[in-house]
Amino acid sequence: GESVGLHLPTLSVQEGDNSIINCAYSNSASDYFIWYKQESGKGPQFIIDIRSNMDKRQGQRVTVLLNKTVKHLSLQIAATQPGDSAVYFCAENSPYSGGGADGLTFGKGTHLIIQP
Amino acid sequence: DTGVSQNPRHKITKRGQNVTFRCDPISEHNRLYWYRQTLGQGPEFLTYFQNEAQLEKSRLLSDRFSAERPKGSFSTLEIQRTEQGDSAMYLCASSLGGIGSPLHFGNGTRLTVT
Repeated sequence: GESVGLHLPTLSVQEGDNSIINCAYSNSASDYFIWYKQESGKGPQFIIDIRSNMDKRQGQRVTVLLNKTVKHLSLQIAATQPGDSAVYFCAENSPYSGGGADGLTFGKGTHLIIQP
Repeated sequence: DTGVSQNPRHKITKRGQNVTFRCDPISEHNRLYWYRQTLGQGPEFLTYFQNEAQLEKSRLLSDRFSAERPKGSFSTLEIQRTEQGDSAMYLCASSLGGIGSPLHFGNGTRLTVT
C-alpha cells in the first residue's frame, strides 16, 4: 500500500554542522506534510509543515523542501545543537489515508545523533 | 501549560485487566485523535473525534478498545481484557481541524501488560 517512509534509520552529524533528513512518499493525493521531532519518553513535537502548493518553507533553523515530481520531502536543520538529538518523523495527509479527516500517516523515523 | 495532557504517564497491568487512559486536549481544539506507537515505529492512527462524535476508527481498534469524548472536551480510551500485544505508547493529539491544522500531541501513556 501507499505509505510514507524514510531513507535512513540513523543519521549522525557533528555539532554545528547542517543535517538533512529525507523522506519519500508514494501517495500522490497527499496535500499536506508535517515534520515531527520526538525525544525519548515524549510525544511527537510539531516542527514545521508544508502544503502541496509550496516547494519550500523556512522556520527557525529548519527548512522543509517538497519535490512533488519525485515525491520527496526533506528537513534541513542548520547548525545542529545537542538538543536536536531525537527521532524525526515525516507525516503526510491525504484524503484517503484512513487517519481521520486530517489523517496523518507516519513513517518509521530517523534517529538524529549529534556528536560533540 | 496549555498543551495536550495525558494521564497516567505510565501504566503497568496484568494480562486480562481493564485499563483506562485520559486525554485533555488543547481547549479550543475540536478534533481529538488517539494513536498507538510501538518501539521503533511511527504513530499509528486508532480513532478520532469531531467534538463529541467519533467519526472514524482504524481496523487496529479491536472490539476490546473503546473511546469516548462525552462532552466534546476530554476523552478516555479503555482497553478491556488487556493482552501483551497491547503494550505500547498511546498518544493523544488535538487540532483545530482542516488542512493546514497540525496535530499537537501529548506525551502519551506508556502501557505495559505483564
